[in-house]
Amino acid sequence: GAVVSQHPSWVICKSGTSVKIECRSLDFQATTMFWYRQFPKQSLMLMATSNEGSKATYEQGVEKDKFLINHASLTLSTLTVTSAHPEDSSFYICSASSRESNSNQPQHFGDGTRLSIL
Amino acid sequence: QKEVEQNSGPLSVPEGAIASLNCTYSDRGSQSFFWYRQYSGKSPELIMSIYSNGDKEDGRFTAQLNKASQYVSLLIRDSQPSDSATYLCAVYFGNEKLTFGTGTRLTIIP
Repeated sequence: GAVVSQHPSWVICKSGTSVKIECRSLDFQATTMFWYRQFPKQSLMLMATSNEGSKATYEQGVEKDKFLINHASLTLSTLTVTSAHPEDSSFYICSASSRESNSNQPQHFGDGTRLSIL
Repeated sequence: QKEVEQNSGPLSVPEGAIASLNCTYSDRGSQSFFWYRQYSGKSPELIMSIYSNGDKEDGRFTAQLNKASQYVSLLIRDSQPSDSATYLCAVYFGNEKLTFGTGTRLTIIP
């Protein structure tokens, strides 16, 4: 149980394009979803936290107008990278937690999306 | 600033030996600690969680926590080539957000 599906797994697009990444909880209700970004050979950096039906809370230094997050239902959150540029190329990972998430498994991770901007 | 520190490695260990991975954290009030394994190009996979001082064992993995020293470690016994990965230490600082260390790259040498 507790499967998180992330789509697409890999996307290549031209500079200036907007890219949408979807994160779905398949068998549980995700009250909270987290979006991370990971550059090569670096750790996961939390970008934002979103609660269903509320505006996302962004970490310091993350542009909320550039990284649009929507969490309209208990099973779906989306991250849209607007007007993407080569420096936005990274590995984006979502995770989800529920009211039933326990301390042994606080967040369930998606498989990640490799974004390459040409 | 809540911080989690790890030696980035790379750490090379012969097959069959014990691999020892270390992590320190800045907030003495932290309660929950996690070790994740991440293969190249993949998302993190939870290996162990630990909350109390002492050791916690699960198969070939043992997590050790010392809250007084703000130190958590992961031991991998009988290391296998499939254990070669980056190991991330993560800490809950009490606000539902996980803070990750930079990770230690482990290579098991056959």
